[in-house]
Amino acid sequence: IAGITQAPTSQILAAGRRMTLRCTQDMRHNAMYWYRQDLGLGLRLIHYSNTAGTTGKGEVPDGYSVSRANTDDFPLTLASAVPSQTSVYFCASSDSGAGGEQFFGPGTRLTVL
Amino acid sequence: GENVEQHPSTLSVQEGDSAVIKCTYSDSASNYFPWYKQELGKRPQLIIDIRSNVGEKKDQRIAVTLNKTAKHFSLHITETQPEDSAVYFCAAKWGNFGNEKLTFGTGTRLTIIP
Repeated sequence: IAGITQAPTSQILAAGRRMTLRCTQDMRHNAMYWYRQDLGLGLRLIHYSNTAGTTGKGEVPDGYSVSRANTDDFPLTLASAVPSQTSVYFCASSDSGAGGEQFFGPGTRLTVL
Repeated sequence: GENVEQHPSTLSVQEGDSAVIKCTYSDSASNYFPWYKQELGKRPQLIIDIRSNVGEKKDQRIAVTLNKTAKHFSLHITETQPEDSAVYFCAAKWGNFGNEKLTFGTGTRLTIIP
């Protein structure tokens, strides 16, 4: 692994289903973030983690949960997907929190029908 | 929280001309302002950033200016080239120590006309 990866690349999901988006980084960055990108709305923060074992809510956390059991992994779970969660999801990491460069993953395109 | 507004939403310039994108922010405590570039179908990447202890920063053809009093900052691209075509996002850092976050603007789609 080099940098930050996300899986799956894309997914079509039926409403009401549970889904976990995976994010892994090998840069030993302390901070990790999940954003959703929607046309005309830019990047909106869903949840973040400043260090392993801690998480925080961003701007649009409802319907999503995260965990940070270790430094490398930061999965995002949709407990019961709804069509409004159709979006492109980006994971990012940083070695200096929000005050430094954030490195983004390639994104996951999620469609909820 | 922080509110970041970005203008314009779309911008077309002739190749070789300059492009300017402007952002305003609401939290006077914000002290870090990055700019990200996102090419079509790609991930956002940092192109330049500025901290509140300086008013201007340059890196080759791109520069960022910051006016803390007015709470606005701008991205300037000179001698534009076709590869500058992309969506550009500004952002501002806010929050208490240990819980700092970035709020992004809604993006500017820049098109360079050959």
